[in-house]
Amino acid sequence: DQQVKQNSPSLSVQEGRISILNCDYTNSMFDYFLWYKKYPAEGPTFLISISSIKDKNEDGRFTVFLNKSAKHLSLHIVPSQPGDSAVYFCAASGAGGGNKLTFGTGTQLKVEL
Amino acid sequence: GAGVSQTPSNKVTEKGKYVELRCDPISGHTALYWYRQSLGQGPEFLIYFQGTGAADDSGLPNDRFFAVRPEGSVSTLKIQRTERGDSAVYLCASSLSGGRTEAFFGQGTRLTVV
Repeated sequence: DQQVKQNSPSLSVQEGRISILNCDYTNSMFDYFLWYKKYPAEGPTFLISISSIKDKNEDGRFTVFLNKSAKHLSLHIVPSQPGDSAVYFCAASGAGGGNKLTFGTGTQLKVEL
Repeated sequence: GAGVSQTPSNKVTEKGKYVELRCDPISGHTALYWYRQSLGQGPEFLIYFQGTGAADDSGLPNDRFFAVRPEGSVSTLKIQRTERGDSAVYLCASSLSGGRTEAFFGQGTRLTVV
C-alpha cells in the first residue's frame, strides 16, 4: 500500500508563476515530512521539511504547508524559475524513524519560459 | 570527495549472478542508508546503519540481499542470485547522526539484470 501519495505525475508552470505540488499520506504515525528535489542522473537533494507540530515552514521561495487533519501537505514555489524543473518527492517518517523515509512516487515539474 | 560516492554508476549483470554495490559516505557521517528506486517509483528504504551495525534492516526484500559496513564508513550492498526484478537504481545516503539530520544522497548505482 502506498502510504505517501503524489497523485500528479507531472506539472507544467510558467516562469514567475506559483508552482503547487501536493502530497497525501495515510499513516497517522508520520510526524515529520520532507520534500526532495531530483535532477536526472543525480541523487535526491533535500529541499525543506516540516514537523507535525507546525502547519507552515518557509525557506526563501519554498514554503511547505501541512494539514494534519486532512493528512495533506503541499509545496509552494514562488516565483518559479526554469532551474526548478526537476522531479519533486514528498517523504515522511515516524517518531524515532530518523532518515528512514517513506517516499511518494514524485511529481515532474517543468517550468517554462 | 565532498559528497556521497557510489560505485559503479552502472552495472549490468546476468540473472543468477552475484553483485556488490559500494557506497562511500561523507566523512564523519555515522548514519548510512540504502534505498532502492524502481522505474516510476519513489525511493524505497532498504537498510540503515548507525556506525558499524545495522540498526534497521526491515526494508531488505529477502535473504538474497545483505549489506555490511565493517569499519563504520564504506558500505557494500550485496545481492545474491540476482533476478530481473532486482533491476533498479540503488541509492545510498548518509547523515551526521541517526536522528533527523539532513541526509545526503549519492547519485546511485543503476543495476540492470538481464
